[in-house]
Amino acid sequence: DAKTTQPPSMDCAEGRAANLPCNHSTISGNEYVYWYRQIHSQGPQYIIHGLKNNETNEMASLIITEDRKSSTLILPHATLRDTAVYYCIVRVDLSGTYKYIFGTGTRLKVLA
Amino acid sequence: DAGVIQSPRHEVTEMGQEVTLRCKPISGHDYLFWYRQTMMRGLELLIYFNNNVPIDDSGMPEDRFSAKMPNASFSTLKIQPSEPRDSAVYFCASSLFARDGYTFGSGTRLTVV
Repeated sequence: DAKTTQPPSMDCAEGRAANLPCNHSTISGNEYVYWYRQIHSQGPQYIIHGLKNNETNEMASLIITEDRKSSTLILPHATLRDTAVYYCIVRVDLSGTYKYIFGTGTRLKVLA
Repeated sequence: DAGVIQSPRHEVTEMGQEVTLRCKPISGHDYLFWYRQTMMRGLELLIYFNNNVPIDDSGMPEDRFSAKMPNASFSTLKIQPSEPRDSAVYFCASSLFARDGYTFGSGTRLTVV
């Protein structure tokens, strides 16, 4: 199973870009990288996913290195409401079944 | 759309009792997932369904746990008999396609005393 490594915690000033790194050095060619976040006591919220190319949506940007061994989630203008645990996940495809393996994530604190 | 709806939000039960958690996925979503979250083990996938059929239940911890999806709009996760170590937040999630992001419900916080 491809696993991910994330820093346990990060701080970011409100209004600044938050750059959350993720290492997935054992990723295989057909495995997607997903990002979710979980605000205290709520269900995880899907943010973005990608395979090879960089992706952007209304919430964030995802930058994947060319060798696909790492990625960065960018929240361009962090707000206090972005304080959450952010999970980087590599989805494992096993003979037609699909699994997310959630790690421990990065606890992002946005500071006023 | 109301999103993924789980009930109850909180459940407190005595050890040995049967517990049933309920989930209504987003209409039209073909995939439904049950997760459990604890401080010790984080988020764990218990089971998932595709078109109402269980595809992978390898995460179900023991025979005390069972899940059903009798139709496309309803799923249950049952624990019988319940034990204190089953105390956790149980999340249900659904998605339209396998590679889509999942929409999670608000969870059911289960406490077994």
